[in-house]
Parts: sequence; C-alpha cells; structure tokens
Amino acid sequence: QSALTQPPSASASPGQSVTISCTGTSSDVGGYNYVSWYQQHPGKAPRLMIYEVTKRPSGVPDRFSGSKSGNTASLTVSGLQAEDEADYYCTSYAGSNNLIFGGGTKLTVL
Amino acid sequence: EVQLVESGGGLVQPGRSLRLSCAASGFTFGDYAMHWVRQPPGKGLEWVSGLNWNGDTIGYADSVKGRFTISRDNAKNSLYLQMNSLRAEDTALYYCARISAWAVDCWGQGTLVTVSS
Repeated sequence: QSALTQPPSASASPGQSVTISCTGTSSDVGGYNYVSWYQQHPGKAPRLMIYEVTKRPSGVPDRFSGSKSGNTASLTVSGLQAEDEADYYCTSYAGSNNLIFGGGTKLTVL
Repeated sequence: EVQLVESGGGLVQPGRSLRLSCAASGFTFGDYAMHWVRQPPGKGLEWVSGLNWNGDTIGYADSVKGRFTISRDNAKNSLYLQMNSLRAEDTALYYCARISAWAVDCWGQGTLVTVSS
C-alpha cells in the first residue's frame, strides 16, 4: 500500500493553466476508473473536485478537469485564480475495499 | 443538509485504546459506504479503513490492520472506529468520510487524536 506519487509543489500565474500528476500502478490508478481529486485549504476539510477520473461534482467550476493515461492520472486547473491556491490530493480505489491517497501537491498561484 | 460529526478524540497514552464515533444526518446513512481518513499534523491524507453499506465488506490500511476495528450501526446513523494499541504515529485528525463511486463526497470536520505519554 505505497502512496500514489504526486509532485510536492506546483505553481503558475493567475489566468494560466497548471497540471498535477498522480502516478500509481496497474493495481490502483491503472486498474480502475475510480480516481478522485480533492482540494484542501489550510485548516479546512478536503473538498471533492473530481471523481471517476473526469467527472465534476455539482458546484465545482469547469476550470477543473481530470484525465488518466495508463498508471498516471492528472488534474488540470485552467484560468488559475487566487482562491485555487491550496493543497491537492489524488486518490484511487486499490481493490479489496481499499483506497490509496497521493502524498499531496501544494499549488501556489504566483 | 448532509452532515458528519466526529467525536471521541483526545489525548491518550501509547498502548491504550480510544473509540471514535461519527454521527450522520441529512441523508440515508444505510445507502452509503463509509470510511475513516486521517491526517497527521502538517502532513497529507491517509486512508485508514472503510466498510460497505451493511458492514460485511471491510478494508484496513496495513498500518492499522490488527489494531483498529471499523463498524457501523445503520439504525443509529453512526460509524465507529475502535483503536487499540495506539502508537505515536497514530496521532492525527481523523475524518469520517461518506463514499460514493469510491470518492469521498462528504467529509466531517475531524476529531483530533493525540498519542503521547
């Protein structure tokens, strides 16, 4: 049960786009279309941003999008805004009723 | 309004036990899988344990297997986590999590567990 691999940090200027990767194995990310992404601001509970690789819950701006290729999933934030600055975590179903999280990426809006 | 409220956290000595509870409201509790996720201070999220709607399918992270037990009472709209043989590395904010399509679509505010002598 090793954590999914995310870059520790990412940054971009307002209005630009940024992509955060999440790399696992064929036993988790690559084996199921159950990758989700969460946004967490300091001192707050996480918020679901993407589920089932590409789907957005109601209320999440369409600036947030998800994709997957092989064992790597990605979250893209387009038209960056100041309020997008937060920690982002990916997670994947890993079989046997288990979930696995990524280590998290701190997104800085320059 | 969908709400999850955790309780039962606190300061406990290494080797001792603690039981966390999560009270759910605003949705049909028995329709959902429920999980526990924790976050050590200043660190990332870690999945702890989860069970399906009726509790007959359960999973545990390797780090807690054999020490923690998850359970639920659908009649009381409640989720539990019995934590035994606690270690310093179990110190974290413990979140109750509602699961839909293997994603956490609702989080509680968390209850803090501190394991220290």
